[in-house]
Amino acid sequence: EDKVVQSPLSLVVHEGDTVTLNCSYEVTNFRSLLWYKQEKKAPTFLFMLTSSGIEKKSGRLSSILDKKELFSILNITATQTGDSAIYLCAVFNYGQNFVFGPGTRLSALP
Amino acid sequence: DGGITQSPKYLFRKEGQNVTLSCEQNLNHDAMYWYRQDPGQGLRLIYYSQIVNDFQKGDIAEGYSVSREKKESFPLTVTSAQKNPTAFYLCASSIQLDLYGYTFGSGTRLTVV
Repeated sequence: EDKVVQSPLSLVVHEGDTVTLNCSYEVTNFRSLLWYKQEKKAPTFLFMLTSSGIEKKSGRLSSILDKKELFSILNITATQTGDSAIYLCAVFNYGQNFVFGPGTRLSALP
Repeated sequence: DGGITQSPKYLFRKEGQNVTLSCEQNLNHDAMYWYRQDPGQGLRLIYYSQIVNDFQKGDIAEGYSVSREKKESFPLTVTSAQKNPTAFYLCASSIQLDLYGYTFGSGTRLTVV
């Protein structure tokens, strides 16, 4: 059965901290991995990763995929209170749909 | 602006009643999806539709029904057969899932009272 595990499930940090969120997966026919940010309602797209070792960056956020070890990390540097959200990881299995992990709830305190 | 509109945002239902959640998109996406989100469990797929007049069951379809009579619309009915319907429901669409992922609506929170 396809599975996506995220850790930690929740995290409390202070502004300025650097945060690393983890996503590991087991799927039979990997195609791509997505990261979403969900602040209140609609998840918003952050990154799509398909190749190992290529870091994707957007401002203070970055992400990388390791297809050999079957995981991805999402890094947030200089955390701000606006980064408080649930971060969702999802993996696409060829011929299927995306399988979502449980999410990591990040709380960034002033 | 293009996007996905879900309504209502909050919905209360008495036990034994059916209720329909609306999802409309003006993105011209062929595929539409319904997910259920519960705390600590991530998003679980209820139903999806790749094209008008066709839809498939997802992982947790029991107690739910859908229709896809128009490309823009994919309503979800939560029936009285759904044993634990209280949850947050997200609708999504995609032009090509493996390349672009999902565009999500803002969700409907359903509470059974």
